[in-house]
Amino acid sequence: DTGVSQDPRHKITKRGQNVTFRCDPISEHNRLYWYRQTLGQGPEFLTYFQNEAQLEKSRLLSDRFSAERPKGSFSTLEIQRTEQGDSAMYLCASSLADNTEAFFGQGTRLTVV
Amino acid sequence: AQSVTQLGSHVSVSEGALVLLRCNYSSSVPPYLFWYVQYPNQGLQLLLKYTSAATLVKGINGFEAEFKKSETSFHLTKPSAHMSDAAEYFCAVSGRDSSYKLIFGSGTRLLVRP
Repeated sequence: DTGVSQDPRHKITKRGQNVTFRCDPISEHNRLYWYRQTLGQGPEFLTYFQNEAQLEKSRLLSDRFSAERPKGSFSTLEIQRTEQGDSAMYLCASSLADNTEAFFGQGTRLTVV
Repeated sequence: AQSVTQLGSHVSVSEGALVLLRCNYSSSVPPYLFWYVQYPNQGLQLLLKYTSAATLVKGINGFEAEFKKSETSFHLTKPSAHMSDAAEYFCAVSGRDSSYKLIFGSGTRLLVRP
């Protein structure tokens, strides 16, 4: 197992388009987190799953954002009707439920033009 | 609410010099504390974490941090900087609820001069 994998690494999209990102966690990890990092800032928590259940969503996650983890394995994050303010690095992390240590993927950098 | 403050958005040191990156936290109960490193266009790698065992925590690559409850601080140090240490460093706090979600500081960019 090579760690947390995110796809794509880079995405350029036009304003108003929909985009979807994928995260594959470390195989035995039942927790999966999404964070957003804008330029010059630290990552901000968006949401997390335990197995297939979405247990918490940040107020940063507007109605245009939706995340799923249908079988408790990989997860997708979709942004509808993208706006320039959505331009950021989207980071995925995974962990075991009883462990504070989260392992991060390399992120997907989204640019909305 | 929990928060993290990192003093100094940029820190510059000479190769071989002491590295000191500052982090102060705000939390109503003793939290879990972390330091992560991020290289350009990469994800975050855990350097070390404090989870209420020893207050002096040793991490990877020669880094260590000391939890000081009275000062609400968790500063990161390394005795001798190496060129490969140049990166962005983030301090983070996690509450003792079951989510373990991380709240990050705004980061400190470490520059190492030859």
